[in-house]
Amino acid sequence: ETGVTQSPTHLIKTRGQQVTLRCSSQSGHNTVSWYQQALGQGPQFIFQYYREEENGRGNFPPRFSGLQFPNYSSELNVNALELDDSALYLCASSLEDRYNEQFFGPGTRLTVL
Amino acid sequence: AQKVTQAQTEISVVEKEDVTLDCVYETRDTTYYLFWYKQPPSGELVFLIRRNSFDEQNEISGRYSWNFQKSTSSFNFTITASQVVDSAVYFCALSEAYRGGSTLGRLYFGRGTQLTVWP
Repeated sequence: ETGVTQSPTHLIKTRGQQVTLRCSSQSGHNTVSWYQQALGQGPQFIFQYYREEENGRGNFPPRFSGLQFPNYSSELNVNALELDDSALYLCASSLEDRYNEQFFGPGTRLTVL
Repeated sequence: AQKVTQAQTEISVVEKEDVTLDCVYETRDTTYYLFWYKQPPSGELVFLIRRNSFDEQNEISGRYSWNFQKSTSSFNFTITASQVVDSAVYFCALSEAYRGGSTLGRLYFGRGTQLTVWP
């Protein structure tokens, strides 16, 4: 148990729809990163939020967006879903001065039909 | 550019055998961190070890040991006397030291090695 929770656990959507995934960080962690893990692949960095601002982004299109709230919980929003968006979405939280100690949540498995 | 390569896609062993998972990395930075994570079928990434680029001392922790060699850019992981519960996907990852304005601890993962331990 890392203290990081994600919801929902599983989700099924159809192409073109929009989805919101949620992450609750470990208490006091002000940095959250989101990763996409396609089947059979390693996790790929989507973006990071630090003190409610985006702090770095991987090679993902603008239809992937996020938010971080004052309590440091976070959302990942994906618009205009595509079949290739089917993946496990992982969030990881950390303290800014201990950024190499990241705690991962259990993930949300998204299936796009 | 940062890159992590895990050449072994799948490894199968019989319980009690030793197994080594290979990891080769690329980075231009002189300060970086290397990690091993375990991902059981449930999907959650379980942290196993972190090493910084200045610490080449190899370590043994219970049945786990690590071999970090900067000269060959390798960070291999060995499980001694494997057990069925070790069956999982193992990921090697790299992150770079923070520089002002950069992302904090962005991880670059390899594609993972599926380890199956048979009873």
